[in-house]
Amino acid sequence: NAGVTQTPKFQVLKTGQSMTLQCAQDMNHEYMSWYRQDPGMGLRLIHYSVGAGITDQGEVPNGYNVSRSTTEDFPLRLLSAAPSQTSVYFCASRLTGEDEQYFGPGTRLTVT
Amino acid sequence: GDSVTQMEGPVTLSEEAFLTINCTYTATGYPSLFWYVQYPGEGLQLLLKATKADDKGSNKGFEATYRKETTSFHLEKGSVQVSDSAVYFCALIPDSSYKLIFGSGTRLLVRP
Repeated sequence: NAGVTQTPKFQVLKTGQSMTLQCAQDMNHEYMSWYRQDPGMGLRLIHYSVGAGITDQGEVPNGYNVSRSTTEDFPLRLLSAAPSQTSVYFCASRLTGEDEQYFGPGTRLTVT
Repeated sequence: GDSVTQMEGPVTLSEEAFLTINCTYTATGYPSLFWYVQYPGEGLQLLLKATKADDKGSNKGFEATYRKETTSFHLEKGSVQVSDSAVYFCALIPDSSYKLIFGSGTRLLVRP
């Protein structure tokens, strides 16, 4: 198993540009989520999904969209990038009913 | 709302020193409690967990005990190694929820 994979590892955007951060898992996990990590603030939940076709907002959803058309993939879309979205983004997944979440290696995004 | 509070870092220790990283939480009912570790340049990995009061989680020489009376889940290790240098996150999943809530993280630096 590859586990949870994320692409790209690094990205630089200009203000106003859009892009999609990719996340995939091959463990048949129903639950997937996106977090952003900022210094001194831990990880904050952006969006999550409990299965294909079902998504919901987390703690800091503004400026981000998600969709879940398959069990494996959970892309995160930045509609119009802002400097406040400069952060490290982590995707995670887990089996429903299990506690442990598996994290991807992260995407470091800089918006100038 | 539910939250996790960790001691601020960085914590700097010499090799073989005793480690304590404090973690307290606010949550109703009986949340599940976790410690995750993030090594430089990597995603988060589950270090240990406890799912009910008085449970002790342990892994790789690290331990933490779920203390309901003090709402705490302090991380301890008797003798740290240079390879333990990382950022440690305390986290919880509230009752009847699947959302993982993180503390702000504590950076540990172990010197030879």
